[in-house]
Amino acid sequence: SQQGEEDPQALSIQEGENATMNCSYKTSINNLQWYRQNSGRGLVHLILIRSNEREKHSGRLRVTLDTSKKSSSLLITASRAADTASYFCATDYMRFGAGTRLTVKP
Amino acid sequence: DAGVIQSPRHEVTEMGQEVTLRCKPISGHDYLFWYRQTMMRGLELLIYFNNNVPIDDSGMPEDRFSAKMPNASFSTLKIQPSEPRDSAVYFCASSLTGENEKLFFGSGTQLSVL
Repeated sequence: SQQGEEDPQALSIQEGENATMNCSYKTSINNLQWYRQNSGRGLVHLILIRSNEREKHSGRLRVTLDTSKKSSSLLITASRAADTASYFCATDYMRFGAGTRLTVKP
Repeated sequence: DAGVIQSPRHEVTEMGQEVTLRCKPISGHDYLFWYRQTMMRGLELLIYFNNNVPIDDSGMPEDRFSAKMPNASFSTLKIQPSEPRDSAVYFCASSLTGENEKLFFGSGTQLSVL
């Protein structure tokens, strides 16, 4: 499969806690991207990490990439209720997995 | 910039009718993508264009689906005849430089086929 697969399917945490989501893929890639989707809306790009990078930060987001394991993780630190959304990864060819539904309880 | 613009926002039609979804990409973006999202199948890539030319249509489910991009600022996704299983949210997205770069999504068209 050319697409990424996220896990867990669903994650529920308390506000202030960290949230970690994972993405696995099967083919070699040039880059991997993470997107967020609020209910009923289009996806919004969060971060892109290239195959020669191991870690990238953007605000409260931290993404890691392990090409030897063909996996990536997205860490959201100090989560907020507004982070409640579905999170998707996409590899080359712009195909998405099923996403992780994150619920942050106030 | 207004972003990617899709119309209509909602479409309700009866089985057998023709449905046309429209998309205006961000000006200057060379790539345009059509996706379909359902609970069962997730977010599926249907087709994408580069400089108005279809590059990969392997995700188009059946001959009932067709997509065109007559110019750099407009694309359509047509379903004829429509069926209830086509009910989904259809998204259009555009990208500046390539398949592997950041996508900008429209707000989607919620299609209900009765």
